[in-house]
Amino acid sequence: NAGVIQTPRHKVTGKGQEATLWCEPISGHSAVFWYRQTIVQGLEFLTYFRNQAPIDDSGMPKERFSAQMPNQSHSTLKIQSTQPQDSAVYLCASSLRDTGQLYFGEGSKLTVL
Amino acid sequence: GMPVEQNPPALSLYEGAESGLRCNFSTTMKGVQWFQQNHRGRLITLFYLAQGTKENGRLKSTFNSKERYSTLHIKDAQLEDSGTYFCAVSNNNAPRFGAGTKLSVKP
Repeated sequence: NAGVIQTPRHKVTGKGQEATLWCEPISGHSAVFWYRQTIVQGLEFLTYFRNQAPIDDSGMPKERFSAQMPNQSHSTLKIQSTQPQDSAVYLCASSLRDTGQLYFGEGSKLTVL
Repeated sequence: GMPVEQNPPALSLYEGAESGLRCNFSTTMKGVQWFQQNHRGRLITLFYLAQGTKENGRLKSTFNSKERYSTLHIKDAQLEDSGTYFCAVSNNNAPRFGAGTKLSVKP
């Protein structure tokens, strides 16, 4: 079991460019979560999926951010027209069920210049 | 949202000492998870509790859903215990995190 895999580990984009982050959950886990971590805001919930269906996206910025889970083996977080304030570590986690134990990936550090 | 408060924000211990970290939440929760985030940023799971108490070596955690808190107790602190400790609580939805307790263990 390789755990939750996130790619890329590091991404640098210019302001206004698009960034796509990938997450491969642990096989058999039905819930996939996205969080964002910054020094100022701490660990913020963004969105989560259960059995590939979006359940709660209340933490997602309303513009420019979108997340998908096209199949059970991966989820993507896309940020359009990136801004410097989007710079953060984006963390993906999976769980056997919504309220179960979270297993985190190593994160994708996004830097927007 | 469901505010999650962690205390203290920062803690300094000498090697061999012990202390407790607290996680308070505003509504009844179904589960709590404690993590250590090391200097490389990786979130390491320490405990997941749906009720009661669990122990693992020098660490012990309790979860009191009715009283709306959880604790993490560290005894015989070691240098490698340094890092930031987060609790995350959930209630039929995605877990929400506290702001963390930054622990520094000194020789």
